[in-house]
Amino acid sequence: AQTVTQSQPEMSVQEAETVTLSCTYDTSESDYYLFWYKQPPSRQMILVIRQEAYKQQNATENRFSVNFQKAAKSFSLKISDSQLGDAAMYFCAYRLASGTYKYIFGTGTRLKVLA
Amino acid sequence: EAGVAQSPRYKIIEKRQSVAFWCNPISGHATLYWYQQILGQGPKLLIQFQNNGVVDDSQLPKDRFSAERLKGVDSTLKIQPAKLEDSAVYLCASSLPGQIQETQYFGPGTRLLVL
Repeated sequence: AQTVTQSQPEMSVQEAETVTLSCTYDTSESDYYLFWYKQPPSRQMILVIRQEAYKQQNATENRFSVNFQKAAKSFSLKISDSQLGDAAMYFCAYRLASGTYKYIFGTGTRLKVLA
Repeated sequence: EAGVAQSPRYKIIEKRQSVAFWCNPISGHATLYWYQQILGQGPKLLIQFQNNGVVDDSQLPKDRFSAERLKGVDSTLKIQPAKLEDSAVYLCASSLPGQIQETQYFGPGTRLLVL
């Protein structure tokens, strides 16, 4: 069975600095997607960034980038130039590329941004 | 485009009472998900619909939880009777499967407190 592990319950970063959130996963499949979702306090969960497992190039979205290490089954999120609005719970998620499109989420990392 | 709608936003009930949640997905989205998110944890899939058929309900406590998606659009999730451990946020999400860039869109959630 696939599992997703986020070992950092909470992280803090100074405004304008860079922070990296960790995620590891376990799967025997070779074709899948990985996601980072952001859930601000009392607000909706939104997609931050997506990575296709067949792509070697790491995904980037403005200040957000990932370090995808397929062999190590590691998928970390780097947030550059952190802003106060980045404060939220961040969830790592996994989904097979075909089949039922079932998502498996990690337990989340709470990111605090210090002014 | 309009997002995923959920109601009510908050609900407080006593144990052994019944409660129902409603979800209206994004127009045209064939896949609908119900998640349970207990405080401090990541979302856990309860049930997944493809149009009006159930794709995955392996983690749905069927002795007390039920869900339906009539006509492949709106969906309701019911708990009867509720237990204290059902206190959680119930998230609905929808997606348009089959696309390379398939993405889940989440609703605001219904926060349930069982006393």
